[in-house]
Amino acid sequence: SQKIEQNSEALNIQEGKTATLTCNYTNYSPAYLQWYRQDPGRGPVFLLLIRENEKEKRKERLKVTFDTTLKQSLFHITASQPADSATYLCALGLNDMRFGAGTRLTVKP
Amino acid sequence: DAGITQSPRYKITETGRQVTLMCHQTWSHSYMFWYRQDLGHGLRLIYYSAAADITDKGEVPDGYVVSRSKTENFPLTLESATRSQTSVYFCASTRGRNEQYFGPGTRLTVT
Repeated sequence: SQKIEQNSEALNIQEGKTATLTCNYTNYSPAYLQWYRQDPGRGPVFLLLIRENEKEKRKERLKVTFDTTLKQSLFHITASQPADSATYLCALGLNDMRFGAGTRLTVKP
Repeated sequence: DAGITQSPRYKITETGRQVTLMCHQTWSHSYMFWYRQDLGHGLRLIYYSAAADITDKGEVPDGYVVSRSKTENFPLTLESATRSQTSVYFCASTRGRNEQYFGPGTRLTVT
């Protein structure tokens, strides 16, 4: 069966450092991979979408990579800030999306 | 510009009762979705709709019914609520082949 794993439930880092979150998947060949941010008590908010023929995508302090051979995506937040603290979700596909369980990131000042 | 709204935001119901969760979007997006979010499972797709009168099952459709008579509305009905349906429900919409926009969620408790 299809499986999506995000590296850890929680990640704590110091302000200013780069946060790296991992999303691994099995038994799936998605054409698209997306990352969302979710704050407590709120709905997910879209961050980045990357296609299978794209190796890397950037948006301000965010960078996503998509390795279809390793079946893995890495999500980086550079120069992290306490305001980046949230749960980050990876999602495979477009309209019939499958989500990972998320990684809760805490950036300490 | 309301975007996407859900009602009610909180609901407590008893086992066996029918309950309908409402979702409304103002963007005229063609696609709409219903997800449930539970600890340990993340977000799981219940049903989605590509257009009015077109609906498809997602990952966990059992026990749920949807309809879409108008583009802007996508109600989700639990015909006979069970405790296992206690969850946070999110509605989302998209133009298609793009990112999804999520509503604020409905927290449903079935006692």
